[in-house]
Amino acid sequence: GESVGLHLPTLSVQEGDNSIINCAYSNSASDYFIWYKQESGKGPQFIIDIRSNMDKRQGQRVTVLLNKTVKHLSLQIAATQPGDSAVYFCAENIDNNDMRFGAGTRLTVKP
Amino acid sequence: GAVVSQHPSWVICKSGTSVKIECRSLDFQATTMFWYRQFPKQSLMLMATSNEGSKATYEQGVEKDKFLINHASLTLSTLTVTSAHPEDSSFYICSASRQTSGSPLHFGNGTRLTVT
Repeated sequence: GESVGLHLPTLSVQEGDNSIINCAYSNSASDYFIWYKQESGKGPQFIIDIRSNMDKRQGQRVTVLLNKTVKHLSLQIAATQPGDSAVYFCAENIDNNDMRFGAGTRLTVKP
Repeated sequence: GAVVSQHPSWVICKSGTSVKIECRSLDFQATTMFWYRQFPKQSLMLMATSNEGSKATYEQGVEKDKFLINHASLTLSTLTVTSAHPEDSSFYICSASRQTSGSPLHFGNGTRLTVT
């Protein structure tokens, strides 16, 4: 069936560098996407979302880009900090908040 | 602050016993809550959708008689793992949304279940 997936399972970056985490989705009917951050032993924490009528949305140090043509979603983190180390999941809203998650990318920030 | 509270945060039980996990929306009413299971180093897998006042909707492969869901009020859903076995050991997470669609899910902090 259609699903959300991630290109990179792990990502290691130097503190201060920018991070880019990618996600591919296949459900063309999805109209709402969210990035979550999950720290060890905790539930996912909302980072940023974007609707399908937008290509880009910015938050504090984070930017989400949506390319509907190739069904690609990315999360950019500026000036990555050690506290950003976590697993990041993209999720697509199938219907009525039925949220399907990608495989996740573990981000490690090296001091 | 947290808008979804989950309890307990961790539990150890013996094989064959049942365990109940609670999920509460703290400052909003949630007609729908979701239960996920997460194995180590894996993503969240939706188990079931909990509907207030009606039966839960289970995902394919999830046994409804083993994972009992009760959504008796607009702020509380419970998941009971019945006759637990070691393979049920996992991280169980609930979520809820303030709106019916197109808004972020708020997640509880999960329950680590260990069945010995």
